[in-house]
Amino acid sequence: QVQLVQSGSELKKPGASVKVSCKASGYTFTSYAMNWVRQAPGQGLEWMGWINTNTGNPTYAQGFTGRFVFSLDTSVSTAYLQISSLKAEDTAVYYCARGSDGPIAVAGHWGQGTLVTVSS
Amino acid sequence: DIQMTQSPSSLSASVGDRVTITCRASQGISNYLAWYQQKPGKVPKLLIYAASTLQSGVPSRFSGSGSGTDFTLTISSLQPEDVATYYCQKYNSAPLTFGPGTKVDIK
Repeated sequence: QVQLVQSGSELKKPGASVKVSCKASGYTFTSYAMNWVRQAPGQGLEWMGWINTNTGNPTYAQGFTGRFVFSLDTSVSTAYLQISSLKAEDTAVYYCARGSDGPIAVAGHWGQGTLVTVSS
Repeated sequence: DIQMTQSPSSLSASVGDRVTITCRASQGISNYLAWYQQKPGKVPKLLIYAASTLQSGVPSRFSGSGSGTDFTLTISSLQPEDVATYYCQKYNSAPLTFGPGTKVDIK
């Protein structure tokens, strides 16, 4: 079965960087793009963008350019989200999500989420 | 970019009630609309895609309709386990924007 297992919670100081991993199993990793979704405490879902797991080409939503980088290691079926120059407002749960078995652009399978807390 | 809105932002209904949530796109998106359910403290779950196609395993009391700019999610008979926040999302093209969500609880 499809599984997306994300790395554990992180506590970082402002200005630091963090790298969240999302390890996929149960399917051919390069057959589906990987989405990244942010959810700040008590807030809604924000689509951050996605990465084409075949070509490595990322697409970033407005507001997630510059400090946010999507990357892959296809040899271990893992997608990464790196955030640099962390700010308090980056405190959120970050989800990776794979396309569904129907429309591939729809997030049919989700990781468990990674809480990133930015605090001095 | 296309903006997504939802109404109401929250609602409270009795068990067994019919519940309707509306999602509106600022421009036409054909039927490229998905609905997700997020229970408190849980991961979002896909309910419906292509505006009206039920994801496998989703109870039949959930249904979706609409096309173009106006969409609805209906729960035909609200159950206690349906307490959640519901989000719509457009997926015709990037950015795949989510609506702000509708919180549903039991009266």
